Amino acid sequence: AQSVTQLDSQVPVFEEAPVELRCNYSSSVSVYLFWYVQYPNQGLQLLLKYLSGSTLVESINGFEAEFNKSQTSFHLRKPSVHISDTAEYFCAVTAYNTDKLIFGTGTRLQVFP
Amino acid sequence: EPEVTQTPSHQVTQMGQEVILRCVPISNHLYFYWYRQILGQKVEFLVSFYNNEISEKSEIFDDQFSVERPDGSNFTLKIRSTKLEDSAMYFCASRVTGAKTDTQYFGPGTRLTVL
Repeated sequence: AQSVTQLDSQVPVFEEAPVELRCNYSSSVSVYLFWYVQYPNQGLQLLLKYLSGSTLVESINGFEAEFNKSQTSFHLRKPSVHISDTAEYFCAVTAYNTDKLIFGTGTRLQVFP
Repeated sequence: EPEVTQTPSHQVTQMGQEVILRCVPISNHLYFYWYRQILGQKVEFLVSFYNNEISEKSEIFDDQFSVERPDGSNFTLKIRSTKLEDSAMYFCASRVTGAKTDTQYFGPGTRLTVL
C-alpha cells in the first residue's frame, strides 16, 4: 500500500519569498508522483507530475519539484511566490498496479503582501 | 478549456435519506472516479469506473454507495441511506485513458452535509 505525508498543514510566507512544501511518500512498488493545487471554490488542478526520467520537474507557473528516491520525497519549491499562489496544495501518488490517487492531507500556502 | 462539472455545489440532507451527486466528465474521457474529503482529512479514493463497470473500489465504498453512467454525459454517485459520517466534499474526476501518465481532471466538488 502507498501513503503520503505532508508535514506542514499551513505555510505562511511573504510575497517574493521562496517557499518549499514538503511531501514524503511510502510504497513497496514503483510510483508516479503528483502535485495538485486547489484554488478557492475550484477543483483540484494538476500542477506537475513525475513519471520517469529527469528527477526535476517544472510547472508553467514557476513551481518545481524534485523526486528523491533515497529520501522518498517529492518536495515542491518556488523561488519567489506571488499573492496569486495562495491555495491548498496536495501531493499524491499512484502505483503502477492501481488506478487510484493517494493524497496527502494538503498544505495551505498563504502568501502575504 | 473543457472541465469537469459537478452539481449541486452544496447538498444538505437528513440522515437516512438518499442523495445523488452528479458529475459531467470531460466529453472524450473514458475513465471516471469519485473521491471524497472529510473536513480536515485527506482526499480519499472511493471508486473508479470504466466501460460501465466498477474497475476498482476502496473499503469505504460499501453497499450504501453506487455509481452509474445513466447516459452519455453524466456520472453519478448515489448514497442510499446517508449517515452523519458521510458529510464530506465529494470530487468527481475523469481522464481520457487508463494510462498512469494521463492526468485525472477534477471537478470543483459537492459539499454534502448530513444532519
